[in-house]
Amino acid sequence: QVQLVQSGAEVRKPGASVKVSCKSSGDTFTDYYMHWVRQAPGQGLECMGWINLYSGDTNYAQKFQGRVTMTRDTSITTAYMELTRLRSDDTAMYYCSRASGGAPFDYWGQGTLVTVST
Amino acid sequence: DIVLTQSPDSLAVSLGEGATINCKSSQSVLYRSDNKNYLAWYQHKPGQPPKLLISWASTRESGVPVRFSGSGSGTDFTLTISNLQAEDVAVYYCQQYSQSPRTFGQGTKLEIK
Repeated sequence: QVQLVQSGAEVRKPGASVKVSCKSSGDTFTDYYMHWVRQAPGQGLECMGWINLYSGDTNYAQKFQGRVTMTRDTSITTAYMELTRLRSDDTAMYYCSRASGGAPFDYWGQGTLVTVST
Repeated sequence: DIVLTQSPDSLAVSLGEGATINCKSSQSVLYRSDNKNYLAWYQHKPGQPPKLLISWASTRESGVPVRFSGSGSGTDFTLTISNLQAEDVAVYYCQQYSQSPRTFGQGTKLEIK
């Protein structure tokens, strides 16, 4: 069965960077897009962008452009999301989620808590 | 960006009763080319990732109880939960996937009365 397994919780200071990984198994990795969604404490779900796992093409929400980079390593079927210049309001649970082109998110990672604090 | 507005923000329903959650989109998510509404509903429980319940506005995902149903087209959509069970307590989100960035509604918190 399809599984998305994310890396563990991270604590960073303001201004630092964080890179979260999402290991996919159980299906053909390059047939899909990987999206990244975050949820800040007490807030709703927010889409950060996506990466085409076949071509590597990316599309980032305007809010994160210039600070986020999504990559993938097809040899180990893993997607990555790096967020730079972290601020306290980047404290959130970050999820990877898989979708076919033009389809909803059918599988999700378990989430990675990123805490930004002095 | 497409803005999705859910109503209500929260509701409390007695066990066995029905619940209705609405989602209004700032733009139509109906594609004329395939006559499909690019609108999904998710259930999100604490400590878990969101779970896809409904896709294409009204298609129930495999394994989702039949008490969950979706309806609507264009800009107005509804998630209906009949015969509410204790395990249905969660936050429910609508999401459009017709264009990037994909966006979610603000969420509706469902509790037991």
